[in-house]
Amino acid sequence: DVKVTQSSRYLVKRTGEKVFLECVQDMDHENMFWYRQDPGLGLRLIYFSYDVKMKEKGDIPEGYSVSREKKERFSLILESASTNQTSMYLCASGAGEPPVYEQYFGPGTRLTVT
Amino acid sequence: AQTVTQSQPEMSVQEAETVTLSCTYDTSESDYYLFWYKQPPSRQMILVIRQEAYKQQNATENRFSVNFQKAAKSFSLKISDSQLGDAAMYFCAYARGSNYKLTFGKGTLLTVNP
Repeated sequence: DVKVTQSSRYLVKRTGEKVFLECVQDMDHENMFWYRQDPGLGLRLIYFSYDVKMKEKGDIPEGYSVSREKKERFSLILESASTNQTSMYLCASGAGEPPVYEQYFGPGTRLTVT
Repeated sequence: AQTVTQSQPEMSVQEAETVTLSCTYDTSESDYYLFWYKQPPSRQMILVIRQEAYKQQNATENRFSVNFQKAAKSFSLKISDSQLGDAAMYFCAYARGSNYKLTFGKGTLLTVNP
């Protein structure tokens, strides 16, 4: 079974703090993704990575950065957390070859910024 | 840009009955993939069913089936013999054939009544 794990289920941080969210997958997938999920807005892509050290902006990258030093690990960084970044963050991984673009999701990190 | 629309924010169904969740999408591509994902309360998102646009036959997975109407750009999910464990948020998603990014709808919250 594919396993995608996230470092924390719940996180509370203060405004202005630097926040690291970690994601690890065990399926040797090329692609990894970070989404945020907000009620009524669905999932929105923040950043994704298609190879080690490679990254590409998604739909809402402002205020975030990412790091992928090893294939299995993809980190999301909030440089200076703000209250509008309070959200559920979902990590996903997927193989890069068509025809299947299935993504496997982690359990999510619910981040509260106070 | 591709968009995915789920017009039903919430749906409910009686146990053992059938329910259909709606999804429409907008694309100018001919090669693409469509997915339904399920997110149970406080649990990981999982893939329910996948449809390749080039296939005319509707996908089926046990009690889950889709009605794929390519010309109408419609991709509905039918759940037969609904069970209490089907209660979840359901997301429709689209992936372009040459791009592994997913575009998600805003979700439909399904309640199953005993």
